Amino acid sequence: QSALTQPASVSGSPGQSITISCTGTSSDVGGYNFVSWYQQHPGKAPKLMIYEVSHRPSGVPDRVSGSKSGNTASLTISGLQPEDEADYYCSSYTSSSTRVFGTGTKVTVL
Amino acid sequence: EVQLVQSGAEVKKPGESLKISCKVSGYSFTSYWIAWVRQMPGKGLEWMGMFYPGDSESRYSPSFQGQVTISADKSISTAYLHWSSLKASDTAIYYCARPRGNRAEYFQDWGQGTLVTVSS
Repeated sequence: QSALTQPASVSGSPGQSITISCTGTSSDVGGYNFVSWYQQHPGKAPKLMIYEVSHRPSGVPDRVSGSKSGNTASLTISGLQPEDEADYYCSSYTSSSTRVFGTGTKVTVL
Repeated sequence: EVQLVQSGAEVKKPGESLKISCKVSGYSFTSYWIAWVRQMPGKGLEWMGMFYPGDSESRYSPSFQGQVTISADKSISTAYLHWSSLKASDTAIYYCARPRGNRAEYFQDWGQGTLVTVSS
């Protein structure tokens, strides 16, 4: 099972919007609405930001949103803030009943 | 409050065995899967596998099948990740996490991580 493909880095200025892509196959991202996203600050455990493609857990601001088209899922952060600077990972359920993470994206707030 | 509290950092030599733990509280331990995730130094997250304490079912990533064993002790609400013979390439931070969802497909709660260093 290969890792899902994410851009290595994305950057934006405070207040701007950024979008992170997560590309898989029809056996994972494209086959199920079971894509989730995680934020990880240095030295910390990951934090769930989005589950089931577009659902936000309580406590995650509504400027964070998720979507999916075909084999590619996306995470959008609007109104970028300094605290959004972190690593972000997508994850998907797979046809083998395993789970797979993305390669990770470093978000920099300029 | 749901909590997953992992055991402390370990320094081991190649060939040694190791079992790290994840003690949970705040929910019914036997009603949810528990997963393990590896993060090698400076690298991304990797799903290793998961275990269902209710019936002892386990599932492993092909990359980790046969390399580690996931188990649990229901009496003390604790999950374990075990190596019988460590390699230098096992050096990483290991997280336990509680999967949620219809297919246990997303990880809502996480432990703080256990750093395992394998060096001669």
